[in-house]
Amino acid sequence: QVHLEQSGAEVKKPGSSVKVSCKASGGRFSRSGISWVRQAPGQGLEWMGGIIPIYGTPSYAQKFQGRVAITADKSTTTSYMDLSSLTSDDTAVYYCARGPIDWLPYHLDSWGQGTLVTVSS
Amino acid sequence: DIQMTQSPSSLSASVGDSVTITCRASQGISNYLAWFQQKPGQAPKSLIFAASSLLSGVPSRFSGTYSGIDFTLTISSLQPEDFATYYCQQYNTYPHTFGQGTKLDIK
Repeated sequence: QVHLEQSGAEVKKPGSSVKVSCKASGGRFSRSGISWVRQAPGQGLEWMGGIIPIYGTPSYAQKFQGRVAITADKSTTTSYMDLSSLTSDDTAVYYCARGPIDWLPYHLDSWGQGTLVTVSS
Repeated sequence: DIQMTQSPSSLSASVGDSVTITCRASQGISNYLAWFQQKPGQAPKSLIFAASSLLSGVPSRFSGTYSGIDFTLTISSLQPEDFATYYCQQYNTYPHTFGQGTKLDIK
């Protein structure tokens, strides 16, 4: 049974950065795709990027290129999403989600509980 | 980027009804299409992958089909717990884009 535990809510100032963590338990971490998805208040789901830890190279949505970094630490089975140059438009709930082992392209079958990031001066 | 056009954006139905939600891809994605359910204040829940394969534990009243670039989610015999927002997502090509969502509420 895969479980994804995300870090707690954050309040950030405009122009700063935020780093959200997602610890996976159960299953083989390095061989399962991980995506980061965000949801602004009252809005739909938005795919930000993803990584397959065994390959290491992340892919990002063009909208976030240059501002987001997704990493995966195989030793701690934790993925991180680092978003910089924050504005109020980045206020959202950020989710990590994971696919099954050795499945490419990967669909998402497990979700973290979400992390609320509020950007406010 | 591949655009996913989901319709309708909202839908009202009664318990026991059958409803269909559609997603159209802007280009071919094979069958790499997933469906998710989200209730207010909760994380999304994965329902279907590969257009028609139900994830473990998902009730059989949920079903998915596709033809070319058109994908459908059908919920037969709606139950009270099915009233939620539904999203499709293509995972054929990065970025793995979502549809805009369909809010299903009680008539």
